This record gives sequence, structure tokens and C-alpha cells, in this order.
Amino acid sequence: EVQLVQSGAEVKEPGESLKISCTTSGFTFTTYWIAWVRQMPGKGLEYMGIIYPGDSDTRYSPSFQGHVTISADKSITTAYLQWTSLKTSDTAMYYCARLGHITLGGYNWFHPWGQGTMVTVSS
Amino acid sequence: QSVLTQPPSASGTPGQRVTISCSGGSSNIGSNIVNWYQQLPGMAPKLLIYNNDQRPSGVPERFSGSKSGTSASLAISGLQSEDEADYYCAAWDDSLSDFWLFGGGTKLTVL
Repeated sequence: EVQLVQSGAEVKEPGESLKISCTTSGFTFTTYWIAWVRQMPGKGLEYMGIIYPGDSDTRYSPSFQGHVTISADKSITTAYLQWTSLKTSDTAMYYCARLGHITLGGYNWFHPWGQGTMVTVSS
Repeated sequence: QSVLTQPPSASGTPGQRVTISCSGGSSNIGSNIVNWYQQLPGMAPKLLIYNNDQRPSGVPERFSGSKSGTSASLAISGLQSEDEADYYCAAWDDSLSDFWLFGGGTKLTVL
């Protein structure tokens, strides 16, 4: 069974750094793209970016480029999303999701999804 | 404001048929497949429809999808109380590389 299990909720202060994780199992980690999606409180889904763990090829949505870093560790089949300096506006639920196909492009979908990591940034 | 436009809300009574629309453009829905995700209250999104009209294993037949030109629709027949959720359409956009778009979401209420 394909599974994506995310790290637990975090409460941070503005300016702090943070790295959340998405640990996968049930498939060949190095051959599927893993994406991150943000959902701010009471709002819709926003695509943030994606990584191919096989060679760490990473692409970002223009809205998130420079604000977050996506990475992966093949040895423990885990993808990460990190911030160097959090802002209160980063308060949101963050989901990781695997692409349904191994090829990046328009013929693809997000499946399955992790359970989400709630990040709260407040002073 | 999302590039993929969905009605913010929809409603129906048990047993009814409800449709949710998703309108885009030539660079997204017009040239790529559409997928639909269901997000039950307090839960992570789940793939509901992929490749315009395909149901993943385990999704009931009463959920169906269609696409025509730059628009897509999700239909739910025989509405049930457990269908009350947020529904999102999504498509790849060719105008920006490596970029998925989500619709703004439609909150479905079962009256």
C-alpha cells in the first residue's frame, strides 16, 4: 500500500526556521514526483512545488519560489519542506502528495496524499 | 482568485443529482486533463476523478466527471449526507512550466 505520513503539528514564532517531513512507503521513492500543497485556514488548495527524489530535480510555483525549499532524502524515502524565516502568513496546513504517474506533465494527478501538517506561526 | 473558476457553494437534498462546474482556459483545461479532489471536513484531500472521467478504485459510480473545451464538470447522483465536503478541480497549466492549478473549491451542502 502506498503511504505518505507527515510529521506532526508545529507552533513557531516569526523568524524561526522549520523543516517538516513526508515519509513514504509502498513504492519506489526515486521514481515518483512528490508535491507540496498549502491550505491556509478556511481557504483552498495551492500548489507549492515538486521534487523528483531520483535526482533531486525541484520545481517551484512562482508564488512560492524563494520562500520555501523542497528537498528529499532517498536513504529514508522522505521529502521535506522547509523555511528559514517563518512569517505569520505561513500559518497553514501543508500536504504532501505523490504524482500518479512517474512522468511530470499534464497527464497526471496527485494520489495519494499525506494526512497534512499544521504549521502555526504566532508571536 | 483562482484561474480555474468554481462556484463557491452548491447544495442538494439526499437522492438528488448535483453538478459542480470548473471553468478554465486554453492553457490548462483546454489542453490537459482535469482531476477532481474531495476534501471531507477536517481531512486531507482525496483523488475523486482523474483524467477527466476516470474513477480511482473505491470511488462510487455515482461520482462522474466530464470535460468539454475549457470547462469540466463533476456530477454526483443519488446524493448522500456523507458527500458533504469541499470539491476541487485541478489541471496542469502549459503557460507556466511545472505548474498545477486548483480551482477555488466548491462547498457542497446536503440539505
